[in-house]
Amino acid sequence: AQSVTQLGSHVSVSEGALVLLRCNYSSSVPPYLFWYVQYPNQGLQLLLKYTSAATLVKGINGFEAEFKKSETSFHLTKPSAHMSDAAEYFCAVSEVNTGFQKLVFGTGTRLLVSP
Amino acid sequence: DTGVSQDPRHKITKRGQNVTFRCDPISEHNRLYWYRQTLGQGPEFLTYFQNEAQLEKSRLLSDRFSAERPKGSFSTLEIQRTEQGDSAMYLCASSLGAVDTQYFGPGTRLTVL
Repeated sequence: AQSVTQLGSHVSVSEGALVLLRCNYSSSVPPYLFWYVQYPNQGLQLLLKYTSAATLVKGINGFEAEFKKSETSFHLTKPSAHMSDAAEYFCAVSEVNTGFQKLVFGTGTRLLVSP
Repeated sequence: DTGVSQDPRHKITKRGQNVTFRCDPISEHNRLYWYRQTLGQGPEFLTYFQNEAQLEKSRLLSDRFSAERPKGSFSTLEIQRTEQGDSAMYLCASSLGAVDTQYFGPGTRLTVL
């Protein structure tokens, strides 16, 4: 069974500092990996996804993530945090079953950005 | 393209009552998913439709839950005889193809008193 572990339920950074949100996955087959962001009282928005092409994936809002098979990791980074980045971030894994893609999410990391 | 919409956004009900939620996917998307998100957790998969056919159901979807997508467009999720443990955010997502991005709606927050 697939699973995702997000280390750190809360991460605090100062505005302008590096953002690093950690995600480790478990999958018996080559995975598809995703990062979603959720703002308060809203649904999830896709930041980026890895689907077995380039291991370094660039997403929206300056975020990127690197797929490292040897470490079973897919950490999310952003060089310089902005106040508007404060939100909940979810890492997810899936395998493409016959006909559909079931996302398995981690428990989320809340990013706090201080001025 | 107006995105995925869900109605209502909030629902408060008493234990034992039935509730129904609606999801309108992006118009050309033939795949539709329901997820449930409880406080402090990530979303958990509930069920999946391809057009009007319900092709996958999670063990989380007890007999009190039923989902439909009668014409392959909007979908409804009904919970009968609600329990306090049903309190959660119910999220709907849609995608164009099997491996395409799932676009999520804003969710329906259910509170069972």
